[in-house]
Amino acid sequence: DAGVIQSPRHEVTEMGQEVTLRCKPISGHNSLFWYRQTMMRGLELLIYFNNNVPIDDSGMPEDRFSAKMPNASFSTLKIQPSEPRDSAVYFCASSLQVAGLDTQYFGPGTRLTVL
Amino acid sequence: GENVEQHPSTLSVQEGDSAVIKCTYSDSASNYFPWYKQELGKGPQLIIDIRSNVGEKKDQRIAVTLNKTAKHFSLHITETQPEDSAVYFCAASIRTGNQFYFGTGTSLTVIP
Repeated sequence: DAGVIQSPRHEVTEMGQEVTLRCKPISGHNSLFWYRQTMMRGLELLIYFNNNVPIDDSGMPEDRFSAKMPNASFSTLKIQPSEPRDSAVYFCASSLQVAGLDTQYFGPGTRLTVL
Repeated sequence: GENVEQHPSTLSVQEGDSAVIKCTYSDSASNYFPWYKQELGKGPQLIIDIRSNVGEKKDQRIAVTLNKTAKHFSLHITETQPEDSAVYFCAASIRTGNQFYFGTGTSLTVIP
């Protein structure tokens, strides 16, 4: 099993530019989560999907952030326009929503630097 | 919503000693408590988990205990090794498929 795949692993961009982060969940999983990790705020849940439908996006910091899951094997997190305070590591995680099998499996993350 | 507190934020132990990390949660409806280990430059990896119908679970050198009455759970690592050095996160979840509420992390350093 390849695990959760994220791309790119590192992204450096300038303020104002659009950034798109990508995630491929584990095959067969039906829940997908986007997290942001910073030293100051720790791990923050941004949004999560069940069966490709966004369930809770209350963690999305601003309208500049948007996420989509067009199918069960792909999701994107977009920041437009990006700002320096968006610099963080962004993680995608997936799980199988079946009773007794809640475990979330994390990808390696995308380290975003906005200059 | 759920609030998870984790202590200590940093922990240093000598190789071979035990390490204990404690978490408390606020919502009595929480029923799933995973622990994750995050090494530098990597994503969090599940190391052990426990459900509310179990008081203790052990996997080799790692064990987790749960006290539902007091709403706290702990991670125990025995015979620590340098490769145990990492940041450890606890989490709580109310129901299947729902979001995890993470603690703030404990940076564990095992001194050879």
